[in-house]
Amino acid sequence: QITLKESGPTLVKPTQTLTLTCSFSGFSLDSNQVGVGWLRQPPGKTLEWLALIYWDDDERFSASLRSRLTITKDTYKNQVVLTMTNMDPVDTATYYCAHRKLGGPQFDNWGQGILVTVSS
Amino acid sequence: DIQMTQSPSSLSASVGDRVTITCRASQGIGIYLAWFQQRPGKAPRSLIYDVSRLQSGVPSKFSGSGSGTDFTLTISSLEPEDFATYYCQQYDSYPLTFGQGTRLEIK
Repeated sequence: QITLKESGPTLVKPTQTLTLTCSFSGFSLDSNQVGVGWLRQPPGKTLEWLALIYWDDDERFSASLRSRLTITKDTYKNQVVLTMTNMDPVDTATYYCAHRKLGGPQFDNWGQGILVTVSS
Repeated sequence: DIQMTQSPSSLSASVGDRVTITCRASQGIGIYLAWFQQRPGKAPRSLIYDVSRLQSGVPSKFSGSGSGTDFTLTISSLEPEDFATYYCQQYDSYPLTFGQGTRLEIK
């Protein structure tokens, strides 16, 4: 059974850097075609994809946020970390991590999400 | 970026009804189209991928069709737990993009 869970601060100040950790079980990021993605959803709005990291270290990013994002994986700890710099109130959202397998269902397993509020 | 446009934005229906939600891509995306369901306060749930393939565990009352730029999600015989928001997503190319959502409400 695949599970994912996001952790990190729920309140950050403008200009600060956000660091979120996705801890997962039930799969390995060493496995062929497997990836973990980060997505977010501002209150009352649609989903926005942010970044993906794959088993082969391939990284993909939203072009509009690329300069602010970093994604890393720790295969031994079964974790993926997303950092987003220069946070702004418009970045207030629920942040999700999700499992993806190329050639299979899209984001077939999601974490519960973590609401991050950006406010001074 | 590929823009995904869903219609309608909201829809009222009754238990037992059959409903169809449409998703249009701003350019051709082949078969790389997925659908998600999201209940209030919950994470999205994968329903369909590759236009019409059901995610494991999803009941057959959900079906998807379409090709190129125009796609549909059909839910037959609505049950109370089906009233939620539905999103389409393309994965033909990066950035991965979602539609704005269709809120399905009880009439």
